[in-house]
Amino acid sequence: AAGVIQSPRHLIKEKRETATLKCYPIPRHDTVYWYQQGPGQDPQFLISFYEKMQSDKGSIPDRFSAQQFSDYHSELNMSSLELGDSALYFCASSSPGQGGWETQYFGPGTRLLVL
Amino acid sequence: DAKTTQPTSMDCAEGRAANLPCNHSTISGNEYVYWYRQIHSQGPQYIIHGLKNNETNEMASLIITEDRKSSTLILPHATLRDTAVYYCIAISGSARQLTFGSGTQLTVLP
Repeated sequence: AAGVIQSPRHLIKEKRETATLKCYPIPRHDTVYWYQQGPGQDPQFLISFYEKMQSDKGSIPDRFSAQQFSDYHSELNMSSLELGDSALYFCASSSPGQGGWETQYFGPGTRLLVL
Repeated sequence: DAKTTQPTSMDCAEGRAANLPCNHSTISGNEYVYWYRQIHSQGPQYIIHGLKNNETNEMASLIITEDRKSSTLILPHATLRDTAVYYCIAISGSARQLTFGSGTQLTVLP
């Protein structure tokens, strides 16, 4: 079965640079979520989009922005990168299930290293 | 969403059943119990979820107590590849985010 695709899988940037992470949801899934997992930490929710509109916002820094496009893929844009942004970034997607409950399916993640 | 409490770590012998407990004493009537696992640095993997009734799929079984204050995830025949951090999450149907707690590090021993 098709899964969530994330690119790139690994990314190395310098401080103050910008980075763009991409997420391609499972076909027919209309909701995308972004999570950040720092070293030794649990995943933390950043932001989500439903039908191309932002639906929820978590602990996402103002330096980060994201959007969902007409084909439902999403991009997370990160500017003025800091050392503390080094983390795994996961994208998940979902589609309304029975009764409206949504199970999120995660991609393999993008490992970002800021030097 | 209700807070969940899980043991920090557990060991299980390969081939035996792994029983992972989760307490969610403040769970509300419309909150589901979801289980995910994360194998080292991979994306969290959905395992199973339930509301009131026990559930079973090809990966695991979920036993929810009648008062819904706790649940147990059962991996019937654990293999070395089941070594992972297992997260129990209580989430309402309208929620748009998963809140991961500390989870249980399950180590399957040969």
